[in-house]
Amino acid sequence: EPEVTQTPSHQVTQMGQEVILRCVPISNHLYFYWYRQILGQKVEFLVSFYNNEISEKSEIFDDQFSVERPDGSNFTLKIRSTKLEDSAMYFCASSVGVYNEQFFGPGTRLTVL
Amino acid sequence: QKEVEQDPGPLSVPEGAIVSLNCTYSNSAFQYFMWYRQYSRKGPELLMYTYSSGNKEDGRFTAQVDKSSKYISLFIRDSQPSDSATYLCATHGSGNTGKLIFGQGTTLQVKP
Repeated sequence: EPEVTQTPSHQVTQMGQEVILRCVPISNHLYFYWYRQILGQKVEFLVSFYNNEISEKSEIFDDQFSVERPDGSNFTLKIRSTKLEDSAMYFCASSVGVYNEQFFGPGTRLTVL
Repeated sequence: QKEVEQDPGPLSVPEGAIVSLNCTYSNSAFQYFMWYRQYSRKGPELLMYTYSSGNKEDGRFTAQVDKSSKYISLFIRDSQPSDSATYLCATHGSGNTGKLIFGQGTTLQVKP
């Protein structure tokens, strides 16, 4: 069964460092998303991506964040200068269409020290 | 007012009980409603997906949407210990971009 994969599973970084979180969406999916979940809090939308451009981003997704689909399989989230409050689980998701089921990856736990 | 509200629980029930999980939402324009299940430190997994008002049944799970009161429910019949997880309600935002808006999640424990 196809699935969304994410690497690494856990990333520890120092405040101010850049991190890149990687995702491989399901191969025939066209819509890609990043969400985050701070420990004990709800899952929050960060960004949606379609046709090689951002279709919507949240207030959280400021200039420190960027997304890229560098080839036909990977979808990345970059945080340029991490802050303590960026510590969270980051989930990648993908879907065939806008109103189709979103399949979530297992997440990357980001710890900023 | 939060867009989607959900009582975080925790909710503890004995095995075999009927479980009722509920959410309210604020925007009457929302049309698509989902229930996801999330095990600890895992990604959300879709359980039920409904459009507009009405009921949808899948095995032991029934999702119900009442648009007049902006209320969505998930019922689990004959609950099992393996149902112990956090249940998230969600809806699509109104921007036609796929954005999901989640509730806080309700933690359920089913005791054998």
